[in-house]
Amino acid sequence: NAGVTQTPKFQVLKTGQSMTLQCAQDMNHEYMSWYRQDPGMGLRLIHYSVGAGITDQGEVPNGYNVSRSTTEDFPLRLLSAAPSQTSVYFCASRPATLQETQYFGPGTRLLVL
Amino acid sequence: KQEVTQIPAALSVPEGENLVLNCSFTDSAIYNLQWFRQDPGKGLTSLLLIQSSQREQTSGRLNASLDKSSGRSTLYIAASQPGDSATYLCAVSAGGYQKVTFGTGTKLQVIP
Repeated sequence: NAGVTQTPKFQVLKTGQSMTLQCAQDMNHEYMSWYRQDPGMGLRLIHYSVGAGITDQGEVPNGYNVSRSTTEDFPLRLLSAAPSQTSVYFCASRPATLQETQYFGPGTRLLVL
Repeated sequence: KQEVTQIPAALSVPEGENLVLNCSFTDSAIYNLQWFRQDPGKGLTSLLLIQSSQREQTSGRLNASLDKSSGRSTLYIAASQPGDSATYLCAVSAGGYQKVTFGTGTKLQVIP
């Protein structure tokens, strides 16, 4: 199993540009999430999904959109990038039961100029 | 709102020393608590997961304890090695799916 994969690994955007961060998992996990990690702030939940077709907002959803058309994929869309969205983005997945741990992807480092 | 605090923010120890990392949380109504390891430029790797009904979990040289009533968890690392150098994060799950709150981590350096 490849686990959780994320692309790209690094991206530079100009303010106002849009882009999609890709996330895929091959473990047939129901639950998937997007976090951002900023210095001194820990990881903060952006959006999550409990299954195909079902998504919900996390702690910091503004400026981001998600969709979940398949179990495997959970892309994160930045509609109009802002410098405040400069961060490292992590995708995670886990089975439906709360007794299971989360598996994290390697992250996407985003710089918005 | 759940808040998770990790102290110290950074720790430097000589190789071979036993050490304890601390995690505290404000709301004791949790489902579980996890300890993760993060290497520079990498994602998070789960080390130990403690359910709310458990007191501790062990994996190799690692032992994590949980005291829900006091809102505390400790990660004990025995006989530390340079390869243990990383940032250690704790995270608590509460209030339904994905109400996961992370601490800001303890950056550990083990000096050979």
